[in-house]
Amino acid sequence: NAGVTQTPKFQVLKTGQSMTLQCAQDMNHNSMYWYRQDPGMGLRLIYYSASEGTTDKGEVPNGYNVSRLNKREFSLRLESAAPSQTSVYFCASSEGYSADTQYFGPGTRLTVL
Amino acid sequence: KQEVTQIPAALSVPEGENLVLNCSFTDSAIYNLQWFRQDPGKGLTSLLLIQSSQREQTSGRLNASLDKSSGRSTLYIAASQPGDSATYLCAVNTYQLIWGAGTKLIIKP
Repeated sequence: NAGVTQTPKFQVLKTGQSMTLQCAQDMNHNSMYWYRQDPGMGLRLIYYSASEGTTDKGEVPNGYNVSRLNKREFSLRLESAAPSQTSVYFCASSEGYSADTQYFGPGTRLTVL
Repeated sequence: KQEVTQIPAALSVPEGENLVLNCSFTDSAIYNLQWFRQDPGKGLTSLLLIQSSQREQTSGRLNASLDKSSGRSTLYIAASQPGDSATYLCAVNTYQLIWGAGTKLIIKP
């Protein structure tokens, strides 16, 4: 089992460009999450999907959109990238929402110039 | 608003020492508290999950305690090894995970 996979691993964008971060899990988990991690700060939740067909905003959703494509896949889209979105993005999944252990992907390091 | 603090931000100890990492939180209304390990350039790995009704959890050389009334958790690492070098993060579950900034641990051979 691959667990949680993310693509790409690295990306450099210019201000105003758009891109989609892909995430897939093979553990048959119901819930999936997108976080961002900035230096000196804890992870912050961007969006989550408690179950297939549902998505909800987290702590820092502005500038992002998500799609729960199916039970396995949860994508994060930046419509018009800004330098403030330079960060490391992590996708995670868990069997149930909130109470269960979350399993993380390796992360995507995004730089917006 | 729940806030999670981890002090110190960095810690360096010789191999073989027992050590304690600290996590404090401001609101005791939590479902559980989780400790994670993060290696450079990699994702996070769950180490221990303590339910709000529990006082401690153990896994191998790791022992995590939880005192909700004082808003504190500790992660005890016994007989530290160079392979324990990583950043350790705690997260409290208040329907969403609220994260500390982590403690970067270096174990010197």
